[in-house]
Amino acid sequence: DAKTTQPPSMDCAEGRAANLPCNHSTISGNEYVYWYRQIHSQGPQYIIHGLKNNETNEMASLIITEDRKSSTLILPHATLRDTAVYYCIVRGAGSNYKLTFGKGTLLTVNP
Amino acid sequence: EAQVTQNPRYLITVTGKKLTVTCSQNMNHEYMSWYRQDPGLGLRQIYYSMNVEVTDKGDVPEGYKVSRKEKRNFPLILESPSPNQTSLYFCASRSGTSGYNEQFFGPGTRLTVL
Repeated sequence: DAKTTQPPSMDCAEGRAANLPCNHSTISGNEYVYWYRQIHSQGPQYIIHGLKNNETNEMASLIITEDRKSSTLILPHATLRDTAVYYCIVRGAGSNYKLTFGKGTLLTVNP
Repeated sequence: EAQVTQNPRYLITVTGKKLTVTCSQNMNHEYMSWYRQDPGLGLRQIYYSMNVEVTDKGDVPEGYKVSRKEKRNFPLILESPSPNQTSLYFCASRSGTSGYNEQFFGPGTRLTVL
């Protein structure tokens, strides 16, 4: 699975959009980009995933660049409850669906 | 409500005293997995199971055992716990019918071995 690089921390004002970047320059053609988040030692929570098209669900939007070497997770209206560590994970459809979590980005939403 | 449950949530024990952490899911998922999370090391996979009676080692299996006798349950067994197994443990499950489905994680079990 390709390695990912994320900034260690980011701040965002409550009500504003939070844009979390991720670099995955060695991604291969059959690998998906996943985003999970972990709120203060709770179990990680799935947010969204995508292959090459932009994706949107009720939680967030995922923008993947055309060359697929980077992506951005967008939380459109961040709230205090969105303060968490956000993990960008790249993986293919191997027989073991192991998720390799890096250090992630600590997003702090400020009032 | 679809969920993964773990018990106990918190456990303090002593070296060498066998313990079991239970994991149960109500989503009829084929795949289940155990992770441990340690500061600075992220989440690391211990064991996983593709289906009933099918288990395999993850990245850090030493000192742990698992079993998968029923589809919904995947207990983690520490037969002789040691202090280096003090950690935060997470169980996860997902459907095995597609390679790209999301994984659901339990709330975690914080284990301290004295």
